[in-house]
Amino acid sequence: TQLLEQSPQFLSIQEGENLTVYCNSSSVFSSLQWYRQEPGEGPVLLVTVVTGGEVKKLKRLTFQFGDARKDSSLHITAAQTGDTGLYLCAGANQAGTALIFGKGTTLSVSS
Amino acid sequence: DTAVSQTPKYLVTQMGNDKSIKCEQNLGHDTMYWYKQDSKKFLKIMFSYNNKELIINETVPNRFSPKSPDKAHLNLHINSLELGDSAVYFCASTRSATGGKANYGYTFGSGTRLTVV
Repeated sequence: TQLLEQSPQFLSIQEGENLTVYCNSSSVFSSLQWYRQEPGEGPVLLVTVVTGGEVKKLKRLTFQFGDARKDSSLHITAAQTGDTGLYLCAGANQAGTALIFGKGTTLSVSS
Repeated sequence: DTAVSQTPKYLVTQMGNDKSIKCEQNLGHDTMYWYKQDSKKFLKIMFSYNNKELIINETVPNRFSPKSPDKAHLNLHINSLELGDSAVYFCASTRSATGGKANYGYTFGSGTRLTVV
């Protein structure tokens, strides 16, 4: 069974701090995706990483895909209150027919 | 304007009732999904349809029956609702995955919060 483990589960920081969220698996994924979900809304795609070792940047967010394509990380520089939300990593199931999700990291950024 | 729209947004109903949730997407995607998000925010796949054909039917009670009249619509009917069915149900859509690689991002609706009392 493919599983995606995210850590930490909860993170509470002050504005301006840096943070890293991890997504790990014992399975190899063809790609991993990161989503952010705000209260009362559905998840919104942030990025897809496809190649082992790939690094993608989205403003203050940096995403990395592990060389072996079993893990990924999300680093946020100088967090802002607007970064508050639930961050989810997701990867395709073995048949490639659906995404399976990690259990998420709830980030709270206070001013 | 809304890409994936679900109705209703909130649904409060008594145990034993039958209810339906509707989903429509205007993105031209041909694959649609139902996910269930529990109280701990874990998102679990329930069903997947590709061009009106059922592709995935995870271990979901028979009381749940999806229907896709066309590739832009995917509805979920639930019979004999139970307390444990309380959750947020999300509809999502994407372009078809090819070669076993689901690399395309999903677009989610804003969810239907179902509360069974």
